[in-house]
Amino acid sequence: AQTVTQSQPEMSVQEAETVTLSCTYDTSESDYYLFWYKQPPSRQMILVIRQEAYKQQNATENRFSVNFQKAAKSFSLKISDSQLGDAAMYFCAYYSGGSNYKLTFGKGTLLTVNP
Amino acid sequence: NAGVTQTPKFRVLKTGQSMTLLCAQDMNHEYMYWYRQDPGMGLRLIHYSVGEGTTAKGEVPDGYNVSRLKKQNFLLGLESAAPSQTSVYFCASSFVTGGSLSYGYTFGSGTRLTVV
Repeated sequence: AQTVTQSQPEMSVQEAETVTLSCTYDTSESDYYLFWYKQPPSRQMILVIRQEAYKQQNATENRFSVNFQKAAKSFSLKISDSQLGDAAMYFCAYYSGGSNYKLTFGKGTLLTVNP
Repeated sequence: NAGVTQTPKFRVLKTGQSMTLLCAQDMNHEYMYWYRQDPGMGLRLIHYSVGEGTTAKGEVPDGYNVSRLKKQNFLLGLESAAPSQTSVYFCASSFVTGGSLSYGYTFGSGTRLTVV
């Protein structure tokens, strides 16, 4: 079974600085999808960014970007110019493709943004 | 607004009581899921459905039952609540494009359930 590991239970960053959240995954598939979800204190799960494994180019959404290293099975999230509103739990998720229409989630990283 | 709606948002149950959590989506999504979120455990899949009238077990199905009589609704039932079922429950839905779940899930806002 696929596993997703987020090795940093908690991280902190100063406002306006850059922070990187780590995610590694275990798979034998060659084509799959990876996601980062944000869960602010409101509890709502929000999709931040997605990456298709067959695309070598790293995905970017405004201040959020990923460093996708397929050979290393690593999918880290970089948040630039951190803002107070970025404080949240962040979950990495994996989808293997094919007819197994389920996401596997990591245990999350709690990000604190200090003013 | 279109999306996934969960009711109720909060509930306190006594041990042994039963209840049903309702999830409704208006996006015509084929797939629906129930997860539970516990501190340090991430999100764990309880049950899921790949279409109206179908259900399947996920990672932690014991103590829960589900039904999907209508495409837009996915119900999660606790027949005899236990303190170990204290958790935050999330419903999600998704669609398949090009044979792939490439856009992830749309989540509801969660239900915080406490069993005392």
